[in-house]
Amino acid sequence: EAQVTQNPRYLITVTGKKLTVTCSQNMNHEYMSWYRQDPGLGLRQIYYSMNVEVTDKGDVPEGYKVSRKEKRNFPLILESPSPNQTSLYFCASSPRWGGSDEQYFGPGTRLTVT
Amino acid sequence: RKEVEQDPGPFNVPEGATVAFNCTYSNSASQSFFWYRQDCRKEPKLLMSVYSSGNEDGRFTAQLNRASQYISLLIRDSKLSDSATYLCVVKEAGNNRKLIWGLGTSLAVNP
Repeated sequence: EAQVTQNPRYLITVTGKKLTVTCSQNMNHEYMSWYRQDPGLGLRQIYYSMNVEVTDKGDVPEGYKVSRKEKRNFPLILESPSPNQTSLYFCASSPRWGGSDEQYFGPGTRLTVT
Repeated sequence: RKEVEQDPGPFNVPEGATVAFNCTYSNSASQSFFWYRQDCRKEPKLLMSVYSSGNEDGRFTAQLNRASQYISLLIRDSKLSDSATYLCVVKEAGNNRKLIWGLGTSLAVNP
């Protein structure tokens, strides 16, 4: 089944404890992206990747890191999480960038930082 | 002015009703337009792309008005299962081709 998977789905952690949210797609998509969704602010892009080893900042990159060593995986790293990073996180992929391609989203990761 | 604006609703309609949502965008050079559907606490999913000539998919019709810079979504014969948040998405022109997401319009279809 074609899909985007994220793990974990739910996470409660404490300030400063490094964490990684994994994202994997099995559709051979070139483009991958991370969003956070907050009430009243909608979906905001954190980082995106056009292809392997190519990443760039989105609208709200502060406090986050990403890597794209393989086409299928695009992990999101929070080196020192803070309470303002409590949010619902979505990973998304699309076949390529530049066209009018559909974004395929993962099921989301609900993160709480205390 | 926000780049993409939607009436947040909620729109409460009875089953069988016709309901329409509008979305305005600020960048006249915007390239592509989409409607996504998001169920509560779940991931957004593409409902339909919006073409210049308008397009229809069953009970759903999307239209684009470039002169007035808005897109619309019409849902006919509403079903309970149509209850969701509908997100308007605009792709910018240029090298960035960034996606701009609206905050969504909430629809509740009642029995």
